[in-house]
Amino acid sequence: GAGVSQSPSNKVTEKGKDVELRCDPISGHTALYWYRQRLGQGLEFLIYFQGNSAPDKSGLPSDRFSAERTGESVSTLTIQRTQQEDSAVYLCASSLGAGTPQHFGDGTRLSIL
Amino acid sequence: AQRVTQPEKLLSVFKGAPVELKCNYSYSGSPELFWYVQYSRQRLQLLLRHISRESIKGFTADLNKGETSFHLKKPFAQEEDSAMYYCALKTSNTGKLIFGQGTTLQVKP
Repeated sequence: GAGVSQSPSNKVTEKGKDVELRCDPISGHTALYWYRQRLGQGLEFLIYFQGNSAPDKSGLPSDRFSAERTGESVSTLTIQRTQQEDSAVYLCASSLGAGTPQHFGDGTRLSIL
Repeated sequence: AQRVTQPEKLLSVFKGAPVELKCNYSYSGSPELFWYVQYSRQRLQLLLRHISRESIKGFTADLNKGETSFHLKKPFAQEEDSAMYYCALKTSNTGKLIFGQGTTLQVKP
């Protein structure tokens, strides 16, 4: 595909369950970002991957959140023991390199019951 | 603290009227500012960046370091400009962005 692809587009789960969100970046993009957008708010940075460098995890809100990326391909964001405050749209973006324009996916809308 | 403030949640204007979406930032270093736009049922996309000093779809934005502002302007609004607009600040070499809360622009016929 030509753009950033995220799956699932919607996820509803019960409080306490683990969830895994997936992001397929644009081919050739070495930088990948995860953001969270709560209802009525702006996007919050979560984590950044650049090539084989150590990721910038400074935005992860708690140790229940983690993310992985294999090389310059797919990334997964995992939220363990979900809480209601985790309900949000999770957006992934990729770019050719650090500081170049970011291209966003459609997001995953996560609802915790 | 690094922060982006968009004071208006909703801005409603008539077609043909001038538009100014406000953005103020807080950052002690050398900022790089962006405007992103999200049209209905579409994904978030880059509108313009201050280092390019370009006009996209008739929109311009000038970085004013003295006032720490990066307001988005268009002299004559069109109905197709109706969308959600986000101002964003890049503060490090990683490229991670700090976003404002967004302003919904509604252009009425």
